[in-house]
Amino acid sequence: SQTIHQWPATLVQPVGSPLSLECTVEGTSNPNLYWYRQAAGRGLQLLFYSVGIGQISSEVPQNLSASRPQDRQFILSSKKLLLSDSGFYLCAWNSQGRATQYFGPGTRLLVL
Amino acid sequence: GQQVMQIPQYQHVQEGEDFTTYCNSSTTLSNIQWYKQRPGGHPVFLIQLVKSGEVKKQKRLTFQFGEAKKNSSLHITATQTTDVGTYFCADNSGGSNYKLTFGKGTLLTVNP
Repeated sequence: SQTIHQWPATLVQPVGSPLSLECTVEGTSNPNLYWYRQAAGRGLQLLFYSVGIGQISSEVPQNLSASRPQDRQFILSSKKLLLSDSGFYLCAWNSQGRATQYFGPGTRLLVL
Repeated sequence: GQQVMQIPQYQHVQEGEDFTTYCNSSTTLSNIQWYKQRPGGHPVFLIQLVKSGEVKKQKRLTFQFGEAKKNSSLHITATQTTDVGTYFCADNSGGSNYKLTFGKGTLLTVNP
């Protein structure tokens, strides 16, 4: 069966520090991968999606970047965090040709 | 891009009362998916509706897709405390990557 992992589960970082969040998927090949951010009590904002290794599409201009170095690994990064980067970061995947998305457990990021 | 408007933003009910959330679009939706996010958790796929006028049931949950495929609803009969959470609708924007556009969600709280 397929499994999606995210780490860390929670993170407290000072403003201006770098960020690296990792997401990995098991049990499937060539998935589409997605990074979402959810501010407290708000909806899901799509940040990046990837249809293959090295292929990244950015949905909104921001302080973050994404990379996909391996088929089932998706990384969200920042060189210098802003206060506004705080939120709940969710990674998701779906199979090529299927619309249903499966979400990871998420990372809660607090930038102070 | 396609936008889906979801109402209400919040709904508080007494246990045993019914609950409905609505999802509306100004343009025709390809298909509609519904997700549930428990407090502190991640979104979990509930169902997908594809056909005009489609109605699907999952126990106390009834999902409906409008005849014009511009709206959808989720109705919960006789709410229970386990129904607490945020319910999101999502539209498949189409294309080979099956990117989803999420509504802002309806937060349901249930008073026991």
